[in-house]
Amino acid sequence: GAGVSQTPSNKVTEKGKYVELRCDPISGHTALYWYRQSLGQGPEFLIYFQGTGAADDSGLPNDRFFAVRPEGSVSTLKIQRTERGDSAVYLCASSFLGQGSGELFFGEGSRLTVL
Amino acid sequence: GNSVTQMEGPVTLSEEVVLTINCTYTATGYPSLFWYVQYPGEGLQLLLKATKADDKGSNKGFEATYRKETTSFHLEKGSVQVSDSAVYFCALSTGARQLTFGSGTQLTVLP
Repeated sequence: GAGVSQTPSNKVTEKGKYVELRCDPISGHTALYWYRQSLGQGPEFLIYFQGTGAADDSGLPNDRFFAVRPEGSVSTLKIQRTERGDSAVYLCASSFLGQGSGELFFGEGSRLTVL
Repeated sequence: GNSVTQMEGPVTLSEEVVLTINCTYTATGYPSLFWYVQYPGEGLQLLLKATKADDKGSNKGFEATYRKETTSFHLEKGSVQVSDSAVYFCALSTGARQLTFGSGTQLTVLP
């Protein structure tokens, strides 16, 4: 597609459940990023992929969060044993040259609600 | 560590007035500075950027100047339009492959 696509757009789950969020970046973009945005806050960095490997995962809050990008295109953010504090909008972004240029292209986000 | 502080909203203005949204930053090294905008129902998109001191970024009538002496990157527009209603985020990057965002400023422009 023309832009970054994220699915699902909305996800409601119960505390303790497992969740997967998917990101399909712009075709040809080598860099992919996940951010988390809580209500009234700016996006917070979670993890960055260059190709298939995680180049920087320093923003992942704990070991319940994991992300993969096995073929260097689509990425999945996985959250185990969800907690109410995980409720947020999860944003995916991609770029061609990497973040140094600052031109990230964002998807519309996946809104996660943990009851 | 890096941080960005921006003017809290929401901000409500009438059409054709001057807009200023303040942004100050704290960073190690020499950051690049950005303004991103999120229109209703859309993803974040880059509005403008500046990569070194005294640079001015501009786009769609918006401008921001990188002021190293005051560690600021205020967003300005001389005459806002209803279509400028959106949430605006100031952000910085120090080349560590992370963007650090401010908390966002909701702008509503009334006709």
